[in-house]
Amino acid sequence: VQLVQSGGEVKKPGQSLRISCQGSGYTFSDYWINWVRQLPGKGLEWVGHIDPRSTFTTYNPSLQGHVSVSVDESLNTAYLQWSSLRASDTGIYFCARQEGGLDGLDFWGQGTLVTVSS
Amino acid sequence: SYVLTQAPSVSVAPGKTARITCGGDNIGSQNVHWYQHKPGQAPVLVMSYDSGRASGIPERFSGSNSGNTATLTISRVEAGDEADYYCQLWDPATGVFGGGTRLTVL
Repeated sequence: VQLVQSGGEVKKPGQSLRISCQGSGYTFSDYWINWVRQLPGKGLEWVGHIDPRSTFTTYNPSLQGHVSVSVDESLNTAYLQWSSLRASDTGIYFCARQEGGLDGLDFWGQGTLVTVSS
Repeated sequence: SYVLTQAPSVSVAPGKTARITCGGDNIGSQNVHWYQHKPGQAPVLVMSYDSGRASGIPERFSGSNSGNTATLTISRVEAGDEADYYCQLWDPATGVFGGGTRLTVL
């Protein structure tokens, strides 16, 4: 099992960004993909998740409308996207898979560092 | 929204037992998962559904959950256990993490 994330990004406030998470070694559609972030000096924070089969998504209420999660099942890839970045989005973003609705996150990507600075 | 409370830090000597707690309103009725996170690495699931050790996790790790407190217990602590530990649950479809506890092995 592997979840391979795209490389680090440096962006300016207001710019858009999409980062990716490609799964392999398992049936991609059988597991939800979660996004979890770690802001500098802070703990883990759940961002949102998507069911690849239905594309149903749920978001952290504090981030609803600021980020969006999508998936391309043909590429076994999930995405986290911003249309207008803020400096406060700077942090490490992890993807992680989840088999069922109440299950833990049993396998994680290596993380993508997003830096937003003017 | 549901709040999970963890002590910021716990220190323990090698070979001793570390207990990392996660407090929440009637958390005993919830399913709690625990993660180990070392700097520069991806988090690792260590305990699922309160007391189920994840794949590859040593028997030294155990979990419990009752009342208002869930607990991750690490017996015979080793230097390699030094990490941040996070509890997590679903409320009900939104993920919630505790603030994390840094385990320091003296």
